[in-house]
Amino acid sequence: AQTVTQSQPEMSVQEAETVTLSCTYDTSESNYYLFWYKQPPSRQMILVIRQEAYKQQNATENRFSVNFQKAAKSFSLKISDSQLGDTAMYFCAFMKIYSNYQLIWGAGTKLIIKP
Amino acid sequence: GAVVSQHPSRVICKSGTSVKIECRSLDFQATTMFWYRQFPKQSLMLMATSNEGSKATYEQGVEKDKFLINHASLTLSTLTVTSAHPEDSSFYICSFTSAPAQPQHFGDGTRLSIL
Repeated sequence: AQTVTQSQPEMSVQEAETVTLSCTYDTSESNYYLFWYKQPPSRQMILVIRQEAYKQQNATENRFSVNFQKAAKSFSLKISDSQLGDTAMYFCAFMKIYSNYQLIWGAGTKLIIKP
Repeated sequence: GAVVSQHPSRVICKSGTSVKIECRSLDFQATTMFWYRQFPKQSLMLMATSNEGSKATYEQGVEKDKFLINHASLTLSTLTVTSAHPEDSSFYICSFTSAPAQPQHFGDGTRLSIL
């Protein structure tokens, strides 16, 4: 069975700093998808970034980028030039291909951006 | 991005009442939908998965007679909490996906409080 581990329950950084959230996973699959979702205080789940395991290139979306290390089964999220609006819970999620599109979720990391 | 409308956003009702939560995809056809429950400061817990026109597949420990799910069409799914009790109080979130390996798109969630 797949598992997703986020070892940092809470992090806080100053505005404009760079922060990295860690995520590791366990799977015997060779092809799969990984996601980072953000849940601000409003509770809406927002997709931040997606990575296909067969792609070696790390995904990037504006200030958000990932460091995908397939052999190490690591999928960290880097937020550059952090903004107050980045304050949220961040969840790492794994999706097995040829599954019923179910996501396996990590426990989440609460990120606080301080002014 | 894809838009999912979930309502009501908040429900407060008496014990023994049945509550229906509606989830609509507004701009895409959703082949698979998911219902989650989220306890405070925790990750999402998958309750059930369903495909349009098929019966929902419930996760272990989720009472299918208490949490009735109807995936009526490619754009509409409902969750009915029957004879709700205070322990059913929680945050419920729906999500849809439209194709293999596509990200799930989430509703804004419903906060259910049973008195």
